[in-house]
Amino acid sequence: SDALTQPPSVSVSPGQTATIPCYADRFDNKYVCWYQQKPGQSPVLVIFQDTKRPSGIPERFSGSSSGNTATLTIRETQAIDEAHYYCQAWDVSAVLFGGGTLLTVL
Amino acid sequence: QVQLQESGPGLVKPSETLSLTCTVSNGSISNYYWSWIRQPPGKGLEWIGYNQYGGISNYNSSLKSRVSITVDTSKNHFSLKLTSVTAADTAVYYCARQRTRGSHPFDYWGPGTLVTVS
Repeated sequence: SDALTQPPSVSVSPGQTATIPCYADRFDNKYVCWYQQKPGQSPVLVIFQDTKRPSGIPERFSGSSSGNTATLTIRETQAIDEAHYYCQAWDVSAVLFGGGTLLTVL
Repeated sequence: QVQLQESGPGLVKPSETLSLTCTVSNGSISNYYWSWIRQPPGKGLEWIGYNQYGGISNYNSSLKSRVSITVDTSKNHFSLKLTSVTAADTAVYYCARQRTRGSHPFDYWGPGTLVTVS
């Protein structure tokens, strides 16, 4: 099955836009979810089905997918957005997680 | 609001069986996949497997020979058993509710419980 690949780290300045990619050999019909995890906390779902936001997640968070890349975008990044972000997909009845990206807000 | 809470021993000896339970509150245990995910210290998330009441289950191929997940609707909880543990199984173990359609997201998570194999 496909693996999901993420860069280990991404840096962004406060107020700027952060983009975090997630690569697969091919996404085909696989939808992607994104989770935010802060130190000592459980992951929180921030995007599902490529582009949808659960209730309570700020509109600054958005997702997209094209070809072999899914992307999490955070507009107007704030210090509270500093966290690890994981992509996740569903592949032939199994779950795939990306290795995670640490977003640093400098 | 659905709540999940893991429980079980925090210390397991090598070669023994790790057993954890996740109690589900404020929600039915039907119609979802009930899943376990783990995270070794300082590392990323690793999916262990899921079970849906009614018999549908699937496990990470790397753990399949050692893992079992069962659902008990009478107690509104589900359980994980992982046999023949080694130090490599030391991790925070999370239980989570997983939707059964679309991207199959994990929409509710427990707080996690650290299990040390030593």
